[in-house]
Amino acid sequence: DADVTQTPRNRITKTGKRIMLECSQTKGHDRMYWYRQDPGLGLRLIYYSFDVKDINKGEISDGYSVSRQAQAKFSLSLESAIPNQTALYFCATSDYKGQETQYFGPGTRLLVL
Amino acid sequence: AQSVTQPDIHITVSEGASLELRCNYSYGATPYLFWYVQSPGQGLQLLLKYFSGDTLVQGIKGFEAEFKRSQSSFNLRKPSVHWSDAAEYFCAASGYSTLTFGKGTMLLVSP
Repeated sequence: DADVTQTPRNRITKTGKRIMLECSQTKGHDRMYWYRQDPGLGLRLIYYSFDVKDINKGEISDGYSVSRQAQAKFSLSLESAIPNQTALYFCATSDYKGQETQYFGPGTRLLVL
Repeated sequence: AQSVTQPDIHITVSEGASLELRCNYSYGATPYLFWYVQSPGQGLQLLLKYFSGDTLVQGIKGFEAEFKRSQSSFNLRKPSVHWSDAAEYFCAASGYSTLTFGKGTMLLVSP
């Protein structure tokens, strides 16, 4: 089984809809991250969490929110989706003892119409 | 602000030829450095990482990278490219508990 899983893997939604992307990990890591990938822009950090009670904004947090339900679960929400949020979204985890090596999930491809 | 630059958007290499992908970073101090690979339709896989010590690091799939402090560079190399190496490669740096990624270099392998 994969260490970092993301659901759904693909999603099509309409402008204005609320959508949640979920991430689960079995690596036992404290730290979790959400990124979006756009062609030619690389990966940009949306939010990150160093433990269940810690949530931090990343480079591009506007229009997104997150919830850290447990050490192993970190969800990303788009409260009112817009077309420019169409992207590939990745969840990642790391362990502070691992010197910031991050391990990535397979990604969620989101299309907002 | 921290930044990571990959100067080449695309690189085409003949199968069997050597490869070097460039990466430069701008950080207040020497960051931790990483190379990730993303095959089409896949997530990111860690190729190698540099934290300290020996400036030449070995990774998976026959890749290596050399850290050069004087040039603020961490270039990725492979002596002989295989068609399966065609993918997008990302350099990343961490200095404050989060990763900053470069924009990626797409590697094309010609027969």
